[in-house]
Amino acid sequence: NAGVTQTPKFQVLKTGQSMTLQCAQDMNHEYMSWYRQDPGMGLRLIHYSVGAGITDQGEVPNGYNVSRSTTEDFPLRLLSAAPSQTSVYFCASSSPGAHTQYFGPGTRLTVL
Amino acid sequence: TQLLKQSPQFLSIQEGENLTVYCNSSSVFSSLQWYRQEPGEGPVLLVTVVTGGEVKKLKRLTFQFGDARKDSSLHITAAQTGDTGLYLCAGQSGAGSYQLTFGKGTKLSVIP
Repeated sequence: NAGVTQTPKFQVLKTGQSMTLQCAQDMNHEYMSWYRQDPGMGLRLIHYSVGAGITDQGEVPNGYNVSRSTTEDFPLRLLSAAPSQTSVYFCASSSPGAHTQYFGPGTRLTVL
Repeated sequence: TQLLKQSPQFLSIQEGENLTVYCNSSSVFSSLQWYRQEPGEGPVLLVTVVTGGEVKKLKRLTFQFGDARKDSSLHITAAQTGDTGLYLCAGQSGAGSYQLTFGKGTKLSVIP
């Protein structure tokens, strides 16, 4: 049982490049979410999903796309990277009625 | 948007001292969670408080949920160097809601 896994661990992009951050969980959780963490800003919700085929926007969705084709996977796509997207990105999952969100180890992204 | 304010933002204390971290909001939450995050890792849940006035103890850590369910505190007795980390509070707005609103965190350093 690996929990929540994220790849890559580190990534450097140039402005305008696109990429996908991968997130997978093996706990059969319905709810998955993406956060970004910036110094002094705490964790801010980007997008979330309450099940396969269902996604919705969080607090800071601009510049990011998501899809949820399976229960296990919830990739986050950056369409055209900008320096303002330099951050640490965390994926999390949770089951219905549970208060706990399980977080992945994070992806540290730098956009030059 | 429901906001959670954590104080203090930074705290540096000697090993063996006691400390309290606060999490305050003007909004009511159905539950409030405390997470601890170490550098390079994702947040890990410490405790969830659900009932107004509830007190939970986890070894040297005592968590309290305010009577009105708008605020919470984390008290650490006889801090140890292993307590060093970022402490985050997160509120759940509705009983059936998956979404969490995070505070900006308290960075604790325990000096030997």
